[in-house]
Amino acid sequence: GQSLEQPSEVTAVEGAIVQINCTYQTSGFYGLSWYQQHDGGAPTFLSYNGLDGLEETGRFSSFLSRSDSYGYLLLQELQMKDSASYFCAVRAPNQGGKLIFGQGTELSVKP
Amino acid sequence: NAGVMQNPRHLVRRRGQEARLRCSPMKGHSHVYWYRQLPEEGLKFMVYLQKENIIDESGMPKERFSAEFPKEGPSILRIQQVVRGDSAAYFCASSTGTGNEQYFGPGTRLTVT
Repeated sequence: GQSLEQPSEVTAVEGAIVQINCTYQTSGFYGLSWYQQHDGGAPTFLSYNGLDGLEETGRFSSFLSRSDSYGYLLLQELQMKDSASYFCAVRAPNQGGKLIFGQGTELSVKP
Repeated sequence: NAGVMQNPRHLVRRRGQEARLRCSPMKGHSHVYWYRQLPEEGLKFMVYLQKENIIDESGMPKERFSAEFPKEGPSILRIQQVVRGDSAAYFCASSTGTGNEQYFGPGTRLTVT
């Protein structure tokens, strides 16, 4: 089977840096993606890691270690609008584009 | 370039009725995925389709649920004889071939009374 673990909630203050971790157990692995969802709206793609290392996109970075079955999303210079749910998701070989999502991390950014 | 469109945005059905949810993928995308989300939970994969083909329906309940993506027109997720447990948000996503980056629609919130 496949499963992903991430913290249920994280709180941080404006301007701070926060890291959301994700560990996964999958039978085969293509890559780890991150999505953001505001108030139950449309999930929005943030980043994808197919290989080990760090991917940076503006204030957001994502890291993957395949040997540790672990990744994280790093959000810098937090803004109030970053308050949302963040989901990690994996795509497994031989399963087309099917994504398996974690339960999500609710990020609350305080003034 | 219009994004993924879903309609209706909200749907109320009585137990035993049928629900039809529609999804138009982004222009140029031929891969469509349906996911279900219960409150405070992650998205659960239901079905993956390409034009006129169901590629993977491993996440879809065997009974009452069906999906199609015809050559012309939107993808349809059909739920027959709805029950209260079907109440959820149903999201459609589309992608180009790889599926690493999926674009989601706004969802259809189904409420079964």
